Amino acid sequence: EVQLVESGGGLVQPGRSLKLSCLASGFTFSNYGMNWIRQAPGKGLEWVASISSSSSYIYYADTVKGRFTISRDNAKNTLYLQMTSLRSEDTALYYCARHDYSGSFAYWGQGTLVTVSS
Amino acid sequence: DIQMTQSPSFLSASVGERVTLSCRASQNINKYLDWYQQKLGEAPKLLIYNTNNLHTGIPSRFSGSGSGTDYTLTISSLQPEDVATYFCLQRNSWPLTFGSGTKLEIK
Repeated sequence: EVQLVESGGGLVQPGRSLKLSCLASGFTFSNYGMNWIRQAPGKGLEWVASISSSSSYIYYADTVKGRFTISRDNAKNTLYLQMTSLRSEDTALYYCARHDYSGSFAYWGQGTLVTVSS
Repeated sequence: DIQMTQSPSFLSASVGERVTLSCRASQNINKYLDWYQQKLGEAPKLLIYNTNNLHTGIPSRFSGSGSGTDYTLTISSLQPEDVATYFCLQRNSWPLTFGSGTKLEIK
């Protein structure tokens, strides 16, 4: 069974940093592209970043480019999102999601909540 | 960036009714369009990928169609468990963009 478990969320002050993790199991992690998608409270979904299976290709939303870094450790079956210079508008539930071969977000974790507030 | 516009924002329908949700892209997305269902308090779930392909385990009452800029999700016979918000996503080009969602309720 595919499982994605996010962690690392919490309350952080504006301008500070936070690193999210997503531990994957139930599939060969190194074979699949991975993604971060976020959802502000009561709002819709926003794609944040994607990384290919070997980290060769990385893409970011304009809203986080230059502040967030997506990475992965295939030996540890873990996806990361390093977030710096956090803003109040980054407050959201952050989901990790696995690509299917079609490129769609076939599997999602339950999310980790990031709250940026002083 | 490609803008995705969903309509309606809110829909109330009766059990057994045929329901149609729409998603319009600001430019041709070559059928790289997915539909996701999000129930209250849950993570989103993939329903349909590449316009008209049903994801594994999704009931056949869900179907998708469209081309170019206009896409549709159809539920052939609405069930109580279909109460959710539905989002479309274009994967034709970066940055990937979601629609703002259609909230579906039972009348």
